[in-house]
Amino acid sequence: NAGVTQTPKFRILKIGQSMTLQCTQDMNHNYMYWYRQDPGMGLKLIYYSVGAGITDKGEVPNGYNVSRSTTEDFPLRLELAAPSQTSVYFCASSQLGQNNSPLHFGNGTRLTVT
Amino acid sequence: DAKTTQPPSMDCAEGRAANLPCNHSTISGNEYVYWYRQIHSQGPQYIIHGLKNNETNEMASLIITEDRKSSTLILPHATLRDTAVYYCIVRGGNTGGFKTIFGAGTRLFVKA
Repeated sequence: NAGVTQTPKFRILKIGQSMTLQCTQDMNHNYMYWYRQDPGMGLKLIYYSVGAGITDKGEVPNGYNVSRSTTEDFPLRLELAAPSQTSVYFCASSQLGQNNSPLHFGNGTRLTVT
Repeated sequence: DAKTTQPPSMDCAEGRAANLPCNHSTISGNEYVYWYRQIHSQGPQYIIHGLKNNETNEMASLIITEDRKSSTLILPHATLRDTAVYYCIVRGGNTGGFKTIFGAGTRLFVKA
């Protein structure tokens, strides 16, 4: 199993541009998450999904959109990039409805908005 | 989800045990305690979790107090490669654990 795969690894955007951060997992997990991590800080939950077709806001959803059309994929969309969105973005997944199921993380996408 | 409190940083000598504390005084009966670590800028790595009983695996031990309001992660023989940020989170409960919130964690420095 590849686990959780994120692409791209790095990206530089100009203010106002848009992009989609890709996340896919091959563990048949139902729960998927997007976090952002600013330099020297902890992880903040952006959006999460409990299954295909279901998404919900986390702690810091403004400026982002997500979709979950399949169990495997959970892309994160930035429509109008702003410097405040410069961060490292992590995608994670876990098994449905099991309290003893840990999160599995991808290796992150480092985004710079200038 | 319950909130956790951890010291911002700790030091440990190489080869000695590292004991990382976590307070989770508002934990509910069906919430688990999880520990993750993040080395440099990599994705967080799962270490261990538990509900009531103490747990041990190849990486660490987890000691949970009887009232479940706090826990300690123990790295029995810390190495330089254990230098990382360690996150304690609680997860589960009525929401099924899907809204998983991380705090700021403890930055552990292992020194030679």
